[in-house]
Amino acid sequence: KQEVTQIPAALSVPEGENLVLNCSFTDSAIYNLQWFRQDPGKGLTSLLLIQSSQREQTSGRLNASLDKSSGRSTLYIAASQPGDSATYLCAVGGYGQNFVFGPGTRLSVLP
Amino acid sequence: EAGVAQSPRYKIIEKRQSVAFWCNPISGHATLYWYQQILGQGPKLLIQFQNNGVVDDSQLPKDRFSAERLKGVDSTLKIQPAKLEDSAVYLCASSLEAPGVSWELFFGEGSRLTVL
Repeated sequence: KQEVTQIPAALSVPEGENLVLNCSFTDSAIYNLQWFRQDPGKGLTSLLLIQSSQREQTSGRLNASLDKSSGRSTLYIAASQPGDSATYLCAVGGYGQNFVFGPGTRLSVLP
Repeated sequence: EAGVAQSPRYKIIEKRQSVAFWCNPISGHATLYWYQQILGQGPKLLIQFQNNGVVDDSQLPKDRFSAERLKGVDSTLKIQPAKLEDSAVYLCASSLEAPGVSWELFFGEGSRLTVL
């Protein structure tokens, strides 16, 4: 059974810092991995989707990497801004299985 | 492109009452999901539909929860009778058909349920 963890649970950084969010999964036989952002009281917004054959994906200031063999993905946020404050969740998709979500990392970027 | 639509956004009920949530997926998305998200946790899948057929409902508490997707478009999730532990946000998501494609999930704003 796939289990997904995210460390840290919460993170507070000053504006302008580069930061890394971590996602770990127990079963490396994955189909893809998706990173989401969730603002308080809102649904999930898709940020990046990485297929199992890819090593990384980039969108603007965001870069997500995937290392299947070690069961890890990282989300790199460059030059953080207060508007980046939200909860970031990763979800791991298996072959013929639905996405399993991590608990999320709550990010606060201080002006 | 219109996103996933859900209603109502908020609902407060007493325990043992019933409630229903509605979802309209992105046009052309064959797969529809209902997730339950308890505060501080990641979403947990309740049920997945492919067109109007159920693909996975293994985590749906079938003694009190039911869901349908008539005509393979809109879907309704019902809880009857509600318990205190059902207080959560109910998220609907949709995606293109899974095999061989990106399987990217798109979520609605969610329906927040409070059971008193």
